[in-house]
Amino acid sequence: DAGITQSPRYKITETGRQVTLMCHQTWSHSYMFWYRQDLGHGLRLIYYSAAADITDKGEVPDGYVVSRSKTENFPLTLESATRSQTSVYFCASKMDGSSYEQYFGPGTRLTVT
Amino acid sequence: EDQVTQSPEALRLQEGESSSLNCSYTVSGLRGLFWYRQDPGKGPEFLFTLYSAGEEKEKERLKATLTKKESFLHITAPKPEDSATYLCAVHVTNFGNEKLTFGTGTRLTIIP
Repeated sequence: DAGITQSPRYKITETGRQVTLMCHQTWSHSYMFWYRQDLGHGLRLIYYSAAADITDKGEVPDGYVVSRSKTENFPLTLESATRSQTSVYFCASKMDGSSYEQYFGPGTRLTVT
Repeated sequence: EDQVTQSPEALRLQEGESSSLNCSYTVSGLRGLFWYRQDPGKGPEFLFTLYSAGEEKEKERLKATLTKKESFLHITAPKPEDSATYLCAVHVTNFGNEKLTFGTGTRLTIIP
């Protein structure tokens, strides 16, 4: 099916471990985004990418790494997970052009113990 | 600093009882305002984009309006399936860095 998929949907990991969250889109949108959603904070941008091999920091990038070798994939890696990174993570994409509406994936619920 | 504030945080309505959700913003370089619907355990679903004061958009029982300081999401004769969290976001441009800034949402519950 077309759209954005995220995997895994749920993940429990331990403090200090590396974990990668996957995002795949079938629309060939140039822009992709990673957000985290926490109670009281709303959605906050972690990183975004304007095209393959082009990435930039968002509002809360510390502790995260991204890559984009292919247009359709935008993985997010937590290099050494901390409890403060327990959150729900959403991937989104935006079509090319002037409109800035973004389309979101189903999310990954990550718990760091 | 760009700010987006949504009110109320939560709203409970009887089925058929119309009401409005508010999204107020203080930003510079506004390029658009977006409304999303989010169901529990799911990602936000795009509803509307508004670009200029006075603009209105409608979809089924929902109507979004925009002024220079705030946006309203009016819900007319709501049904239980309209229960969700409604998110507002603004698109701003700051020194060439474009982004969406989200509010924390209004959790709407429609009681049958």
